Amino acid sequence: EIVLTQSPGTLSLSPGERATLSCRASQSVSSSFLAWYQQKPGQAPRLLIYGASSRATGIPDRFSGSGSGTDFTLTISRLEPEDFAVYYCQQYGSSHMYTFGQGTKLEIK
Amino acid sequence: QVQLQESGPGLVKPSETLSLTCTVSGGSISSYYWSWIRQPPGKGLEWIGYIYYSGSTNYNPSLKSRVTISVDTSKNQFSLKLSSVTAADTAVYYCARDNWNDVGENWFDPWGQGTLVTVSS
Repeated sequence: EIVLTQSPGTLSLSPGERATLSCRASQSVSSSFLAWYQQKPGQAPRLLIYGASSRATGIPDRFSGSGSGTDFTLTISRLEPEDFAVYYCQQYGSSHMYTFGQGTKLEIK
Repeated sequence: QVQLQESGPGLVKPSETLSLTCTVSGGSISSYYWSWIRQPPGKGLEWIGYIYYSGSTNYNPSLKSRVTISVDTSKNQFSLKLSSVTAADTAVYYCARDNWNDVGENWFDPWGQGTLVTVSS
């Protein structure tokens, strides 16, 4: 089973700042199978990025994804108040199994 | 657009079977994979398993012995059964569509709103 480790656990930033969230895999992951989600309290996760770097429909261009192999990054270029939430990375790997990272909480400083 | 809605009991007794149904509206259940994902209160997401509209399934090994996912294409629904539940199975349960594009990229979207299932006597 591929384990995804997200860092930091909590990121405290101010609106307008740049956020960089990391997702590290225990073994190599195909970029095609790496996605990012945003979750706000009481809501279902919302797809942000698929294929490591493709923005989902309707996602603002301040969100971008990058990376390959075992290291992937979600970047939010200029934080808006509505961006403060929990972010999860997710992969599909061997044995046709999905796993999620433990999440990064992005909070207002 | 496609919408998913989970339904089922919000309270299940320990050792009993949790049963949930996901109804797909605004589109057909055909030609897609469909997953169940859960989230214990205050914790992260755990994939439970998926079913293809034709009925083939794959489950998380950690839950495989207790999980059954089935599909009813005539009702545009798929269902989850989790047997021998304990308090550790208390969670918000989500259903979601697995998407695959022409270049083999994959993601979950849309998701249902989720339903809280509490395991307690």
